[in-house]
Amino acid sequence: AQSVAQPEDQVNVAEGNPLTVKCTYSVSGNPYLFWYVQYPNRGLQFLLKYITGDNLVKGSYGFEAEFNKSQTSFHLKKPSALVSDSALYFCAVRDNRLAFGKGNQVVVIP
Amino acid sequence: EAGVVQSPRYKIIEKKQPVAFWCNPISGHNTLYWYLQNLGQGPELLIRYENEEAVDDSQLPKDRFSAERLKGVDSTLKIQPAELGDSAVYLCASSSDGTSGTEQFFGPGTRLTVL
Repeated sequence: AQSVAQPEDQVNVAEGNPLTVKCTYSVSGNPYLFWYVQYPNRGLQFLLKYITGDNLVKGSYGFEAEFNKSQTSFHLKKPSALVSDSALYFCAVRDNRLAFGKGNQVVVIP
Repeated sequence: EAGVVQSPRYKIIEKKQPVAFWCNPISGHNTLYWYLQNLGQGPELLIRYENEEAVDDSQLPKDRFSAERLKGVDSTLKIQPAELGDSAVYLCASSSDGTSGTEQFFGPGTRLTVL
C-alpha cells in the first residue's frame, strides 16, 4: 500500500527566508504526488502535483516542489516565505486511493 | 466557479444519535469522495463514487456508516448510531474524473462532536 512520511511536525521560518517542507513516499507503481494546504476551519486547497515530466513542478502562490525518484522524495519549497503562508501542509501519494501524510504545521515568523 | 459545498459546518450530538452530512460537488465533477480527518492527522478515504456508483467503500465502517449519491450529484453520509470516537472532521471532495493524476477539490468539512 502507498504511504507518505512527513518527518517534521512543525517548520518555523522567518519571513522572507526560504521555506522547505519535506516529504518522502512509498508506492508500488508510478508515483502521483500532491501537495495540499489547509488553513484553520477550511478544507484542503490543492497546491501542485507531479505526474510525469520535469522534476521541478510549479504551483499556486509561488510554491514549487522537486521530485526525486532515487530518494523517493517530493519536498515542497518556496523561495521567500510570507506570514500568510502559515498553515498546515499535507503531502499525498495516489495509487488506488490518495494517501496523506500527517501534515506539517508551518509557522512563518514576522 | 463555486467550490465543493458541505453542510452543516458544525454538528454536536449525543452518542447513539444519528447524524447526516450533505455534500454538493463542483458542477460537472463525476467523482466524489468522503474523507475522515482526525485531529493532527491527514484525511483518510471513507468512500469514492463514480457518478452514482460506490467504487471504493472498503474503508467505510458499514455497521454504522452509510452513504448515497442519488442521481450522481449530491451525496449524503450518515452515521447511525454515533459513537464518541466518531468525533472528527468529515471532508467531501470531488474531481473531474477518478484517475490517479487528477487533483481533488475539497469542501470546508463538517466538524462532528459526539458527547
